[in-house]
Amino acid sequence: AQSVTQPDIHITVSEGASLELRCNYSYGATPYLFWYVQSPGQGLQLLLKYFSGDTLVQGIKGFEAEFKRSQSSFNLRKPSVHWSDAAEYFCAVGDMNTGFQKLVFGTGTRLLVSP
Amino acid sequence: GAGVSQTPSNKVTEKGKYVELRCDPISGHTALYWYRQSLGQGPEFLIYFQGTGAADDSGLPNDRFFAVRPEGSVSTLKIQRTERGDSAVYLCASSWDAKTGELFFGEGSRLTVL
Repeated sequence: AQSVTQPDIHITVSEGASLELRCNYSYGATPYLFWYVQSPGQGLQLLLKYFSGDTLVQGIKGFEAEFKRSQSSFNLRKPSVHWSDAAEYFCAVGDMNTGFQKLVFGTGTRLLVSP
Repeated sequence: GAGVSQTPSNKVTEKGKYVELRCDPISGHTALYWYRQSLGQGPEFLIYFQGTGAADDSGLPNDRFFAVRPEGSVSTLKIQRTERGDSAVYLCASSWDAKTGELFFGEGSRLTVL
């Protein structure tokens, strides 16, 4: 069965500093990977996704993620964090066979941004 | 609005009662999903509709949970004989096509069972 691990429950980053959120997955075939962000009072929003091709994917709001098959990882990065990036971030894995409707999410990482 | 709308935003009920949660998807989205998010956890898949039919209900925890989408738009998640363990945020999402992998989520309905 698919699973996703986000080892960091909370991360605090200074505004303007770089960010990396970790995500490890377990899946027998080629994974389809996603990062979603959940801001207070808003629904989950897709930041980026990886299906195939270039292992470095660009997303919205200046985020990027790199798929590393050898490490079973899909870490999310941003070079310079803004206070508005404070939110909860979820990594998820999808299954092509089920058409992505049954995404498996990690437990999330809460990002705090200090001034 | 243009987003996914869920009502009620908050629902407090007593153990054993019946609850309905409603989801209005984005207009034109054919795929609709229900997920459940317990405290400190990520969303967990419950059920997926393509049009009016439930294409995959393998995530429903037991037969107390049921969902419908009679006209292929609005969906209702129904929970019978609620239990304290049902307390969670119930998320609805919709998409143009399940194969895109991009789900548009509502803000959720927070259910508290006393």
